[in-house]
Amino acid sequence: KQEVTQIPAALSVPEGENLVLNCSFTDSAIYNLQWFRQDPGKGLTSLLLIQSSQREQTSGRLNASLDKSSGRSTLYIAASQPGDSATYLCAVDGSRNYQLIWGAGTKLIIKP
Amino acid sequence: GAVVSQHPSRVICKSGTSVKIECRSLDFQATTMFWYRQFPKQSLMLMATSNEGSKATYEQGVEKDKFLINHASLTLSTLTVTSAHPEDSSFYICSATKGTPGTGYGYTFGSGTRLTVV
Repeated sequence: KQEVTQIPAALSVPEGENLVLNCSFTDSAIYNLQWFRQDPGKGLTSLLLIQSSQREQTSGRLNASLDKSSGRSTLYIAASQPGDSATYLCAVDGSRNYQLIWGAGTKLIIKP
Repeated sequence: GAVVSQHPSRVICKSGTSVKIECRSLDFQATTMFWYRQFPKQSLMLMATSNEGSKATYEQGVEKDKFLINHASLTLSTLTVTSAHPEDSSFYICSATKGTPGTGYGYTFGSGTRLTVV
């Protein structure tokens, strides 16, 4: 059974710092891994999608890596800004009838 | 591209009434749509998966007679909460994908609906 873990559960850093969020999964047989952000009371915004054959994806200040063999993905945020404050979720598509397996999320606070 | 619109964003209804939530894929045809429920400070809980023109597949513990899902077209799915009770108050989110597993399209989510039953 696929399990997804995100560390840390919460993170508070000053504005401008570079930071790394971690996601680990127990079953390496995945189709892809997707990172989302969720603002309080809002839906989910897709940040990056990494297919199983890829090792990383980049979008602006965000870079996500994937190491299937070790069951790990990282989301790197460069030059953090207060607007980056949100909960970041990683989800693995395994896929049992398209069901995504979710991590519990990392709540990120960027202090001005 | 890949935008999913969900309406309404907030709804308050009286106990015993029914509420319908719409989920539309605006710029793509969604082969499959999903409905999630999220409790405060918790992760998403998948309620059901629906494919256009066929019956939804409900997750264990989800009452299909209470949460009616209709996927009438490749761009529209609706969730109807029937005979709503205060315990049904929650945040409901839909998502959609246009791909099959492994094709890399990923999943796009709506903005969510906050349901409050009074």
